Order: sequence, then structure tokens, then C-alpha cells
Amino acid sequence: DTAVSQTPKYLVTQMGNDKSIKCEQNLGHDTMYWYKQDSKKFLKIMFSYNNKELIINETVPNRFSPKSPDKAHLNLHINSLELGDSAVYFCASSLRASGGSDTQYFGPGTRLTVL
Amino acid sequence: TQLLEQSPQFLSIQEGENLTVYCNSSSVFSSLQWYRQEPGEGPVLLVTVVTGGEVKKLKRLTFQFGDARKDSSLHITAAQPGDTGLYLCAGLPDYKLSFGAGTTVTVRA
Repeated sequence: DTAVSQTPKYLVTQMGNDKSIKCEQNLGHDTMYWYKQDSKKFLKIMFSYNNKELIINETVPNRFSPKSPDKAHLNLHINSLELGDSAVYFCASSLRASGGSDTQYFGPGTRLTVL
Repeated sequence: TQLLEQSPQFLSIQEGENLTVYCNSSSVFSSLQWYRQEPGEGPVLLVTVVTGGEVKKLKRLTFQFGDARKDSSLHITAAQPGDTGLYLCAGLPDYKLSFGAGTTVTVRA
């Protein structure tokens, strides 16, 4: 069984469209994260939720809206997609929101390409 | 400016050779982590170093945390093609994990 899964694996869309990426973890963890990895492989945190509550919100355009229906799921909705949103988006989870010092388990990533 | 600077950015070596990857910062960290990321997959944690001067070994991989807890190194002995990947260091300057830009290691058979 996959610990952290994301769908879709690939997403190709036109500028201006709205899209969502879904993430699920079956590890029983309390905390989930969204990261963005750019074309230079730089990985940067975007959001973190602990038990469905937003605890980290980095300087991300408000076109990005995370939603956590329960602690096993964290989805990312992106409105009015722009070329610069093209990247690989990773979901991750950890047991607790202990400042990130717990091991984080990453999903396989969603490669988003905006044309 | 990134909090964690990794060097080199790229490293290509022959199977059986040794290599070292460096992770440096001007900030002090309570701990540093090393991840390996293979193409098309997410990063996987290799090790966490916590104490200044600490050395941890994972088979052919040796991780060292600087005495001042501002830097770390990863040394691979007798590299194998399976060691190929992107190596990322990460630290917690506050309550968020901050990553270096990574070192892409290619081990040629």
C-alpha cells in the first residue's frame, strides 16, 4: 500500500484554467504539507495542515487554496493558472506538527505543466 | 539567497569512486536532514543529525554534522549506480523545513 499518494501524476492544462491536485496518506499522521519543486529542483514549502487546521501558509499567491476535509487528505486547488505555476508539487505527511523535525514522508509528486 | 547552500550542484563519477557533498549555512540548526530523490519520485529521508560533531553511517554513506551545527557533509564510499539521485539537505531554522538546492549525483557503471 502506498503511504502518501497523489493524483494526478501529470497535469497539462492551459493558462487561466482552474485545477485541483489530491493527496491522501494512510499512515495515520496528523500533519500534511504541500511543497513546490521548480525546474531547478529547489523544493519549497507552501502549506501545512495539522488535524485539518492550517498552520503554515508561506507567501503563496491566493490563487492557491489548500483544503483538508479530514486529517488523511489534503487537496490543493489552483485558480487562474499561470505559466509560472508549472512545477512538480509534492504532498508530504509527518506524525506530528513538531516543527517539522519528525520524518516527513513524501508522495510521488504531480508534474503540472501550464501551456 | 538560500538558507542552505549545497555544493557541488552536479557530480558525475565512475562506479567505485568516492564522493562528498557539502551543505553550508551561516545559521545554526538544531538538526539537519539528508534526503535522496530519484527521478519521478518524492524525496526519501536518509538521516537526521542532531548533535554538533555527530557522525552517522548508513552502509557506504557517512554523514557528518559540523561542530558549530552550521554545516553538514555526506560522503559516499565506493559509489554504485544505485546511488544516482538528487541529494538534498534540509534544516529547521524555525518551524518549517527549509531545503538546499540539491546536488545531482550520477554514478556511471
